[in-house]
Amino acid sequence: GAVVSQHPSWVICKSGTSVKIECRSLDFQATTMFWYRQFPKQSLMLMATSNEGSKATYEQGVEKDKFLINHASLTLSTLTVTSAHPEDSSFYICSARQTGVRVPSHFGPGTRLLVL
Amino acid sequence: DAKTTQPPSMDCAEGRAANLPCNHSTISGNEYVYWYRQIHSQGPQYIIHGLKNNETNEMASLIITEDRKSSTLILPHATLRDTAVYYCIVRSLLSNFGNEKLTFGTGTRLTIIP
Repeated sequence: GAVVSQHPSWVICKSGTSVKIECRSLDFQATTMFWYRQFPKQSLMLMATSNEGSKATYEQGVEKDKFLINHASLTLSTLTVTSAHPEDSSFYICSARQTGVRVPSHFGPGTRLLVL
Repeated sequence: DAKTTQPPSMDCAEGRAANLPCNHSTISGNEYVYWYRQIHSQGPQYIIHGLKNNETNEMASLIITEDRKSSTLILPHATLRDTAVYYCIVRSLLSNFGNEKLTFGTGTRLTIIP
């Protein structure tokens, strides 16, 4: 079945540094991937839509200069949290759907970010 | 996308059928009902989806009422590993190249009791 991976699974960083999270579709191509964020005891909130070969589309209230998204190939999207602060500590999850086929999205296992 | 309403929590005895309800009274004709679940500290897992007919797969069954205003996800023989938050999501018809944004509500926290 469709598999989506994320790397790293968890990361701890100092305040002010940047962190890159990768999302890969392992056995299918995805022109569109989605990035979600989930705070403790809350539901998933969509942050942005990652489009292969073009700019990402951000949801209202999400700073595009702080959360840089690059979708350089049909199997890889990256989310970079720039100048991370403790309030950016969260669970980041990506999803992808196979292009050209009417199947539901599959989610990655998530990346837990802790900013000290 | 239509709004969904789910009970915040439910318990079910291990080995019994778990029936999770979802109301989606404003669903429109081209909208599907999706179910995902999220086990603690993991990404959501797709379970099943349907339009108007009942659906069954290796994980669960989905029963959609005739007026499509509500549905029930059935886990036939619940195990401890089914403890998770279950999300019912209504989404418009999939297109071949659609941007499938999924809006997650608060879901139902299902606890399987030994």
